[in-house]
Amino acid sequence: GNSVTQMEGPVTLSEEAFLTINCTYTATGYPSLFWYVQYPGEGLQLLLKATKADDKGSNKGFEATYRKETTSFHLEKGSVQVSDSAVYFCALRDLTGGFKTIFGAGTRLFVKA
Amino acid sequence: DAGVIQSPRHEVTEMGQEVTLRCKPISGHNSLFWYRQTMMRGLELLIYFNNNVPIDDSGMPEDRFSAKMPNASFSTLKIQPSEPRDSAVYFCASSPSSGGTDGYTFGSGTRLTVV
Repeated sequence: GNSVTQMEGPVTLSEEAFLTINCTYTATGYPSLFWYVQYPGEGLQLLLKATKADDKGSNKGFEATYRKETTSFHLEKGSVQVSDSAVYFCALRDLTGGFKTIFGAGTRLFVKA
Repeated sequence: DAGVIQSPRHEVTEMGQEVTLRCKPISGHNSLFWYRQTMMRGLELLIYFNNNVPIDDSGMPEDRFSAKMPNASFSTLKIQPSEPRDSAVYFCASSPSSGGTDGYTFGSGTRLTVV
């Protein structure tokens, strides 16, 4: 079945550091891939997505590239801010899973000033 | 659009009581999902609807849980009777039915505490 594996947290960085959160997936079909962000006390928000191989999703300085050959969708940001402190979820969705989205366990990011 | 609206934001109830959580999806979104989030188990899909019809309720933990979607703009999740282990944050999310390329829009959640 479909699954998503992301790196365990927490990840602690200083402000302006480079961020990478690893995500790999297993899927029987051709999934769309997503990153969601959850700030304290809020629901998840869609951060970016990519719907086919080699697509790059980007938003708010975050980027992720859909790599079919390595079944990966790593999240990156060149310079993090304290306001980026949150939990980040990698997810996939495809027709073989019906309309459901499979979420990773989440990675907590702490950014220190 | 006001987004996905959930009510109440917080609910504290005594064990054995009935609890009803409410959700209004984004207008035009045909898929609706109920999730539960806890520290121990993370994010769990409870049930999802497409065009108001329940498609998969395999995540509903027990018969004490039930969900309805009487029309395209309203859904409820009911727990009867409630137990302390039901304490969690419950999220509703909606999405267009477009073949799986769209993400979800989540509500702000209902934090349920059963004492």
